[in-house]
Amino acid sequence: ELKVEQNPLFLSMQEGKNYTIYCNYSTTSDRLYWYRQDPGKSLESLFVLLSNGAVKQEGRLMASLDTKARLSTLHITAAVHDLSATYFCAVDSDSGGSNYKLTFGKGTLLTVNP
Amino acid sequence: EPEVTQTPSHQVTQMGQEVILRCVPISNHLYFYWYRQILGQKVEFLVSFYNNEISEKSEIFDDQFSVERPDGSNFTLKIRSTKLEDSAMYFCASSEIFNLAYGYTFGSGTRLTVV
Repeated sequence: ELKVEQNPLFLSMQEGKNYTIYCNYSTTSDRLYWYRQDPGKSLESLFVLLSNGAVKQEGRLMASLDTKARLSTLHITAAVHDLSATYFCAVDSDSGGSNYKLTFGKGTLLTVNP
Repeated sequence: EPEVTQTPSHQVTQMGQEVILRCVPISNHLYFYWYRQILGQKVEFLVSFYNNEISEKSEIFDDQFSVERPDGSNFTLKIRSTKLEDSAMYFCASSEIFNLAYGYTFGSGTRLTVV
């Protein structure tokens, strides 16, 4: 069974600081997704990482994927209050016969304080 | 930008009642899913659906749950006899099976409250 672990689960940071969220997963996969969720809202797609060494950046967020280490990181640069949300990583897996599904981590609740 | 549409946004039901949650996936997507998220917890896979049949289901998706694509556009999740522990946010998602580069698109969710 695929396990996806995120850490930290809670992150409180000051505006302007940098930090990294880590996502480890237990079985081979080369597709990993990062989502943002605001309270009571849906899952907003941030990044789709499809191969080893993939790096994507959007604004103050940068995501990377190391499939050999089974590790993805979401790096936050110079945090601002608007980034406060819960961030989920999710790993795509094929259980056979092209039956794909996402397995999510528990999420990281990020709070950016002024 | 194409969206996955879910209705209703919030449903309150009494324990033991049947509920149907509705979803309209993106029109050229071929794979459909239901996920749920109990308040404050992670998002859990319920079921995937392709070519008018269930592809995979989780342990959560027991005999009380069923899915259907009744008319070629809607995709529904039915819970036959709701329990208190069914209270959660239910998300529908769809994807292009042969182009996972675009990932999965999630709907805005239905918050189900069982009282």
